[in-house]
Amino acid sequence: DIQMTQSPSSVSASVGDRVTITCRASQGISSWLAWYQQKPGKAPKLLIYAASSLQSGVPSRFSGSGSGTDFTLTISSLQPEDFATYYCQQANSIPTFGPGTKVDIK
Amino acid sequence: QVQLQESGPGLVKPSETLSLACNVSGGSISSSTYYWGWIRQPPGKGLEWIGTIYYSGSTSYNPSLKSRATISVDTSKNQFSLKVSSVTAADTAVYYCARRGTGGRSFDYWGQGILVTVSS
Repeated sequence: DIQMTQSPSSVSASVGDRVTITCRASQGISSWLAWYQQKPGKAPKLLIYAASSLQSGVPSRFSGSGSGTDFTLTISSLQPEDFATYYCQQANSIPTFGPGTKVDIK
Repeated sequence: QVQLQESGPGLVKPSETLSLACNVSGGSISSSTYYWGWIRQPPGKGLEWIGTIYYSGSTSYNPSLKSRATISVDTSKNQFSLKVSSVTAADTAVYYCARRGTGGRSFDYWGQGILVTVSS
């Protein structure tokens, strides 16, 4: 199986901050990577697919980059509704998810 | 707009079989563009993919479930189902059904989730 790691595991930030989350795959996955946002008690929501493609309806302050083994999710200006847990997921082989990064209020 | 809705018992006894269904509305489960999957999340933990099915019945599963999971599709009802046999407390989780696109291979629509507790 391809293992996914994320860093940091949590980050405290303020509204308006730029936030960057990193995801690393244990082997190359080309651009087969997705990012999800999950709020407490809710299902995950797809933000980014194919490493850098913005899902329809997702605000443009979210962006993704990377290929191979190293990927990044960036929130350019954190908004109150962005406080949540973020997961990466590789789609190169049987799907596996990263452990999550919790973004909370500083 | 596609909607998915899980249904089934919220409490299952150890060693028994967990059975859930996912009803799809607003789109056809027989579309060649999508796969349909199950993902679970133990309380306070991360996400684990269980398996995926195509409308033709072709399936793939997470080996970690050691062949305990079975996913089936009923195109006449526009729904797909999950069975997990020989459950233990470790199978306690919120179970989500979701749609996976063939393009980005990501899960773009999710059900609200259903908590299944394994306990006697």
